[in-house]
Amino acid sequence: AQTVTQSQPEMSVQEAETVTLSCTYDTSESDYYLFWYKQPPSRQMILVIRQEAYKQQNATENRFSVNFQKAAKSFSLKISDSQLGDAAMYFCAYRSADQFYFGTGTSLTVIP
Amino acid sequence: EAGVTQSPTHLIKTRGQQATLRCSPISGHTSVYWYQQALGLGLQFLLWYDEGEERNRGNFPPRFSGRQFPNYSSELNVNALELEDSALYLCASSTNGQRNTEAFFGQGTRLTVV
Repeated sequence: AQTVTQSQPEMSVQEAETVTLSCTYDTSESDYYLFWYKQPPSRQMILVIRQEAYKQQNATENRFSVNFQKAAKSFSLKISDSQLGDAAMYFCAYRSADQFYFGTGTSLTVIP
Repeated sequence: EAGVTQSPTHLIKTRGQQATLRCSPISGHTSVYWYQQALGLGLQFLLWYDEGEERNRGNFPPRFSGRQFPNYSSELNVNALELEDSALYLCASSTNGQRNTEAFFGQGTRLTVV
C-alpha cells in the first residue's frame, strides 16, 4: 500500500518570506499523480497544485511551486511571498488507481 | 457551478444511534469519496463509489456503509455509533475514477457522538 509522510506537524513563516513544506511517499507504481491541498479554518479543502509523475518539470502555480524528486520519492511545496491568507493546514496527497492517500498534514502559521 | 455539497453541516448523536450523512457531487462527476478526519489523524479513507458501484473500501468496520444513487449523490451511514466516531467527515468528487483526476471536496459534516 502507498504511504504519504509529512514530517513537519507545524511550520511558521514571516509574511512575505518563503517556506517549504516537506512530503515523502512510498510506492511501487511508476505512473501516479501527486497533489497538495490546503485546508483553512473554514474546513474547505482546496487544491493548491498537482504534479504528474511522468513529467520531470516541477509544477508551478503563481506563488506555489513544487520540488518533485521522483527517485527520492519526495514532493515538497514551496510558498513564496507568504501571505496571511496562506495560513492553513496543508496536506500532501498521492493518487493511485483506487483512492487518494493523504499525509497527516502540516499546520502553517503566517506571522505578520 | 455548484461545488460539492454536504449535509448536514453539524450532527449530534447519542452513542448507539445511527447517523446518515449526505453528499452531492459536482455536476458531471461520477466518483465520490468519503474520508474521516479525526483530530490529529489526517484523512482516513472510508469508501469510494463510482458509477453507482462501491469500488474500494478503507479499513473501517462494517457498521460504516454507504451507497451511491443514480444521480451520483451519495450517502454514508454509520450504525451503532461510538464516541470515537466523532470526527469531520469529508466527501469529495472527481470527474471519474481515473488517477489523473483531482478531488474536489465539500465542507464536511461535523459528527459529534455523546
